[in-house]
Amino acid sequence: KAGVTQTPRYLIKTRGQQVTLSCSPISGHRSVSWYQQTPGQGLQFLFEYFSETQRNKGNFPGRFSGRQFSNSRSEMNVSTLELGDSALYLCASSSVAGPSDTQYFGPGTRLTVL
Amino acid sequence: AQSVTQPDIHITVSEGASLELRCNYSYGATPYLFWYVQSPGQGLQLLLKYFSGDTLVQGIKGFEAEFKRSQSSFNLRKPSVHWSDAAEYFCALGDQGGSEKLVFGKGTKLTVNP
Repeated sequence: KAGVTQTPRYLIKTRGQQVTLSCSPISGHRSVSWYQQTPGQGLQFLFEYFSETQRNKGNFPGRFSGRQFSNSRSEMNVSTLELGDSALYLCASSSVAGPSDTQYFGPGTRLTVL
Repeated sequence: AQSVTQPDIHITVSEGASLELRCNYSYGATPYLFWYVQSPGQGLQLLLKYFSGDTLVQGIKGFEAEFKRSQSSFNLRKPSVHWSDAAEYFCALGDQGGSEKLVFGKGTKLTVNP
């Protein structure tokens, strides 16, 4: 079974631009979560989707948004990019939504904002 | 608020030596606890998880962890480290509110000397 895939793997943008990152969960998984990883703040939860509904959102500004499609694929969007948005963005999927379920992580998208 | 502390930012061990990575959590009820490993340029891979029951949990790659409620700890151990174990290790606490959200520690970087 294929793992979680994220595209693109690397991205370079300039301040003020917007960016869309994509995540394809493991086949059959309906829950997708997003995390931001930076050297200073570590791994921080962005949001979680289950069956196209946002179930939980982390403490990030409204510039960060996401959605999930009927095939469980998910996208996250960051508008008006800032230098501090440079990070590794990780997507994780699980078969059901719940804290006891195992989340499988993708390789991440490395975003650099210049 | 839930939190996870990994006191050791960086640990160096010799190949073949034993390993213990520390993790302390802050949460009132029975926690859901996880250990993940991240190799450079990769996503996170689950090593093991604890929900309830036996306090000694076996994971992949020869790792185990022991849950100690009295010490609010969930330390990761391996009896004999291999050079391929060099990576960053993250302890995480699951959300008891029913979501997929994970609260991560800052991570411990493991260096293995030949």
